[in-house]
Amino acid sequence: GQNIDQPTEMTATEGAIVQINCTYQTSGFNGLFWYQQHAGEAPTFLSYNVLDGLEEKGRFSSFLSRSKGYSYLLLKELQMKDSASYLCAVRDSNYQLIWGAGTKLIIKP
Amino acid sequence: IAGITQAPTSQILAAGRRMTLRCTQDMRHNAMYWYRQDLGLGLRLIHYSNTAGTTGKGEVPDGYSVSRANTDDFPLTLASAVPSQTSVYFCASSDSKTGTSGADTQYFGPGTRLTVL
Repeated sequence: GQNIDQPTEMTATEGAIVQINCTYQTSGFNGLFWYQQHAGEAPTFLSYNVLDGLEEKGRFSSFLSRSKGYSYLLLKELQMKDSASYLCAVRDSNYQLIWGAGTKLIIKP
Repeated sequence: IAGITQAPTSQILAAGRRMTLRCTQDMRHNAMYWYRQDLGLGLRLIHYSNTAGTTGKGEVPDGYSVSRANTDDFPLTLASAVPSQTSVYFCASSDSKTGTSGADTQYFGPGTRLTVL
């Protein structure tokens, strides 16, 4: 079967750095996505990786290792508004997105 | 403002009733999707449409039907609602063609919170 694993919840301090991990086992691989979802709102796109390595976009970076079935999202200089759930999704061989359950990130002052 | 709208925002429905959730996008995207989101589970694909006039089944299609008469609208119908269909429903769209490469980012509507009693 297809599976995406992420930690259920993480806590970090304002101004710090946090890394959210995602491991996957899917039938085929055509890219990995990270989305942010604030409570009661829709998911919004953060990043996309299809090749191995690090993609940096401001305070957010995303890393992919296809051989290990592994990705992480790195958030720097954490702000209170970063409190949200972070969803990892993999596009499979049918070009459909398989979603993880999400990691709820709690930022403390 | 370009984007995706969904209606209603929330609904409480008696079991056995028929219900249509509406979704409209004005980005002229080819592909549209319906997901449900339940606590502790990832988004699960119900149905999708790669282009107007075509639809396909996702991971959890039973009890739901869709139509895609034009590019902009993608309604989701529950023919006879059951309590297990209580969920938050998200519609999404992407500028996709079958088999395309590239990011093909999905953009989400605000969601419909449905409670079936």
